[in-house]
Amino acid sequence: DTAVSQTPKYLVTQMGNDKSIKCEQNLGHDTMYWYKQDSKKFLKIMFSYNNKELIINETVPNRFSPKSPDKAHLNLHINSLELGDSAVYFCASSLPGLATHEQFFGPGTRLTVL
Amino acid sequence: DQQVKQNSPSLSVQEGRISILNCDYTNSMFDYFLWYKKYPAEGPTFLISISSIKDKNEDGRFTVFLNKSAKHLSLHIVPSQPGDSAVYFCAASQRGGAQKLVFGQGTRLTINP
Repeated sequence: DTAVSQTPKYLVTQMGNDKSIKCEQNLGHDTMYWYKQDSKKFLKIMFSYNNKELIINETVPNRFSPKSPDKAHLNLHINSLELGDSAVYFCASSLPGLATHEQFFGPGTRLTVL
Repeated sequence: DQQVKQNSPSLSVQEGRISILNCDYTNSMFDYFLWYKKYPAEGPTFLISISSIKDKNEDGRFTVFLNKSAKHLSLHIVPSQPGDSAVYFCAASQRGGAQKLVFGQGTRLTINP
């Protein structure tokens, strides 16, 4: 029973295209995140939504637009893809007030821009 | 500006011995520290965390130590098992506001039989 799921798992596309990655969590969490893991393996926050409201936007190019139709879903749309967008994108969710402060991560989407 | 650093990209340990993974941070506003484990082609999974008001937290084979004055934390795994072979990420979060995690670059741990 998957807690945080992402689709697709792999995405290969040409420069200049527009693509979307979907994320869903069935944990009942209020907060969802997008992280990017680049070629140097750094995991960096991109966006966070709390109950469909944007609360974190970490100087990400405006070609990236997150959308949260409800608190269980956070999608990431990327316009005019560039070579440097190639990375693994992880969705995560959390419940504020959890004693451990943990965030639950999805399996990742590997995006390759050719 | 890398606020969380894991200076050892890799570590190799004999099965049954202790594994010690290290992490340093620069931001004194961090108030919670977490360790995640990651297998290839999977998302990070939470292992253990520690609040800045504590200096030790233990959960089974895993213990995290925090030295606030040195801005240093470590994860001890004892005894190490082959299934512990993975990449381990240290992460920190700051009090107040949204709980974004700031990650180190990871340490690849290999447990040798």
